[in-house]
Amino acid sequence: DAMVIQNPRYQVTQFGKPVTLSCSQTLNHNVMYWYQQKSSQAPKLLFHYYDKDFNNEADTPDNFQSRRPNTSFCFLDIRSPGLGDAAMYLCATSALGWGNTEAFFGQGTRLTVV
Amino acid sequence: DQQVKQNSPSLSVQEGRISILNCDYTNSMFDYFLWYKKYPAEGPTFLISISSIKDKNEDGRFTVFLNKSAKHLSLHIVPSQPGDSAVYFCAASASNGNQFYFGTGTSLTVIP
Repeated sequence: DAMVIQNPRYQVTQFGKPVTLSCSQTLNHNVMYWYQQKSSQAPKLLFHYYDKDFNNEADTPDNFQSRRPNTSFCFLDIRSPGLGDAAMYLCATSALGWGNTEAFFGQGTRLTVV
Repeated sequence: DQQVKQNSPSLSVQEGRISILNCDYTNSMFDYFLWYKKYPAEGPTFLISISSIKDKNEDGRFTVFLNKSAKHLSLHIVPSQPGDSAVYFCAASASNGNQFYFGTGTSLTVIP
């Protein structure tokens, strides 16, 4: 089945130790998104790619970086995780960056910072 | 600034009755609205959507109503089933935009 896959499902990292979360998709969608979701809050967009074009949200901390080496894969790099970065990280894709289309989400990666 | 708002954090409904989940938005440029369902420790799954050219969209037990003048939409689930217990997120997007804006979610519990 075509889908969005995130690895790992659960990630524990030490304070300040770089960590990378990965996302792959078999939907061949142009757009890939990274959202951060904390408990009882709305998913918050960190950045997105339209094909190879990178779009960073204005309030996304510099600590967060992303790479999209090809259509299928996208990575979220957290250079120096702090306790406040503990959250669920959601990868999503959509066929278009606008218009009447839905986003398809992966199962998320739960990041714990110790 | 939260452009999509779900003011009820939680809702409990008896099995077989109707569940009504509400959502308000502030951006008049939004023209596509979606509902997602999320189980614990999983990503959101798409449930149903509606374009701003419609005021109602129905899919089985799920119906979404859109009131553009009030900037309000609602999701009706009837009859509610225990398996519907989850967090429901409302989301919106604009044709000239490039992202989806989410509400904070409503946790629905359907009591057997």
